[in-house]
Amino acid sequence: EVKLEESGGGLVQPGGSMKLSCVASGFTFSNYWMNWVRQSPEKGLEWVAEIRLKSNNYATHYAGSVKGRFTISRDDSKSSVYLQMNNLRAEDTGIYYCAAFYYAMDYWGQGTSVTVSS
Amino acid sequence: EIVLTQSPTTMAASPGEKITITCSANSSISSNYLHWYQQKPGFSPKLLIYRTSNLASGVPARFSGSGSGTSYSLTIGTMEAEDVATYYCQQGSSIPRTFGSGTKLEIK
Repeated sequence: EVKLEESGGGLVQPGGSMKLSCVASGFTFSNYWMNWVRQSPEKGLEWVAEIRLKSNNYATHYAGSVKGRFTISRDDSKSSVYLQMNNLRAEDTGIYYCAAFYYAMDYWGQGTSVTVSS
Repeated sequence: EIVLTQSPTTMAASPGEKITITCSANSSISSNYLHWYQQKPGFSPKLLIYRTSNLASGVPARFSGSGSGTSYSLTIGTMEAEDVATYYCQQGSSIPRTFGSGTKLEIK
């Protein structure tokens, strides 16, 4: 059974930092690009970041709204992907999903909620 | 940035009815990079159709997809109660990856 499990969400003040984790099982993690996608009532589904494979030198890409503030990384030995979020803003509030990409975003986690508020 | 516009925004259908949702892009997308997701209330999105017309594993055959260039569509051949959900198109042709704003499908 394929499973993606996110963790690390919660309440953080504007300007603060938070690190999300996602552990995968049930598929060959190292063969999949990994993504973070967030969802909020205001913006709907919004792609955040992507990290490719070892063979792609773990190339990363980011949405413009998070570039320079967020960092995606992965540890294939732990079947895990991470999202380090710095200088958080109110507009970063939402549910954050990790998603495994082969032909499309084939597998999704259940999401972890991030609230940025004072 | 590729903007995807879905229509309608919301719709209600009777059981057995045929449903079509459209997704229009502001620039051409290869059909290899247009995908559809289904999100049921309280759940995370789930891949429905990849590369325009390929059903994801376990997706009923009443779902189909088509399109090319800037115009794509998702069709449900016969509406069932379990199809109540919000449907999103998504393009993987360029960075940033983008999603449509969703079509909420309800049952009459």
